[in-house]
Amino acid sequence: DVQLVESGGGLVQPGGSLRLSCAASGFDVYDSYMGWVRQAPGKGLQWVSIIYSGGLTNHAASLKGRFTISRDNSKNMVFLQMSSLTTEDTAVYYCARVRNQGDTEYFQDWGQGTLVSVSS
Amino acid sequence: QSVLTQPPSVSGAPGQRVTISCSGSSSNIGAGYDVHWYQQLPGIAPKLLIFNNNNRPSGVPDRFSGSRSGTSASLAITGLQAEDEADYYCQSYDNNLTGSSVFGTGTRVTVL
Repeated sequence: DVQLVESGGGLVQPGGSLRLSCAASGFDVYDSYMGWVRQAPGKGLQWVSIIYSGGLTNHAASLKGRFTISRDNSKNMVFLQMSSLTTEDTAVYYCARVRNQGDTEYFQDWGQGTLVSVSS
Repeated sequence: QSVLTQPPSVSGAPGQRVTISCSGSSSNIGAGYDVHWYQQLPGIAPKLLIFNNNNRPSGVPDRFSGSRSGTSASLAITGLQAEDEADYYCQSYDNNLTGSSVFGTGTRVTVL
C-alpha cells in the first residue's frame, strides 16, 4: 500500500527556516511526481511545489523563491525547505504523490499533513 | 486568491442530488485542461474523488460524477448520504500562472 508520512513541522519565528520531510512507502519517489500542498487554518488548498521524476522542480510563483523541493532517492523521501517564513505561511503542509494522465497533474495519494506555525 | 470559483456551500436532504460548480476562465478550464475533484472530511487529509473530469478512482462510489463544459466543471452527488458531509475542491491547471496546479475555493456540503 502507498503511504506518505510527513514530519518536521512545528513552531518557528518569522524570518526563520524549516525543513519538512515526507517518507514514502509502497512506491519509488524517483520514479514518481511528488508535490506539496498546504492549507492555512480554516482556508482552502494551495499548491506549493512539485518535483518531477526527471528531477525538474516547480514552485508556486507566490512563494517568491523561498521554498525548495528536493528528494533523496536512497531514502525514498521528499523534502520541502522553507525560508524567510512569515505568518502567512502558517498551514498544514501535505505531501502528495502526483499523477499525470493527460494535460494536467492531480494529487492521487496524500499524507496526513504536518502543521507549520509561524509566530513570534 | 484562487482562479477557480466554487460556491461556499451547498446542502441537501439525504437521498437528494446536489451539484457543485467550479467556474474558471479561458486560461484554465476553458483552455481544455482537465479538472479533478477532492473530498476533505473534517480534520483529515483530502482524498482524490474524480480525476480527468469524470473518472473515479477505485473505491469511490458511483454516486459521485464529474463533468466539464466550456469554462466550468461540475461535481454531482446523487443519493446524498450523511457521510458525504465534507469540503469539496476542484483542481486544474492555469497557463497564466508560473507553476502548475490551481485549486478551487472549496465548497462545504451539508446534509440536512
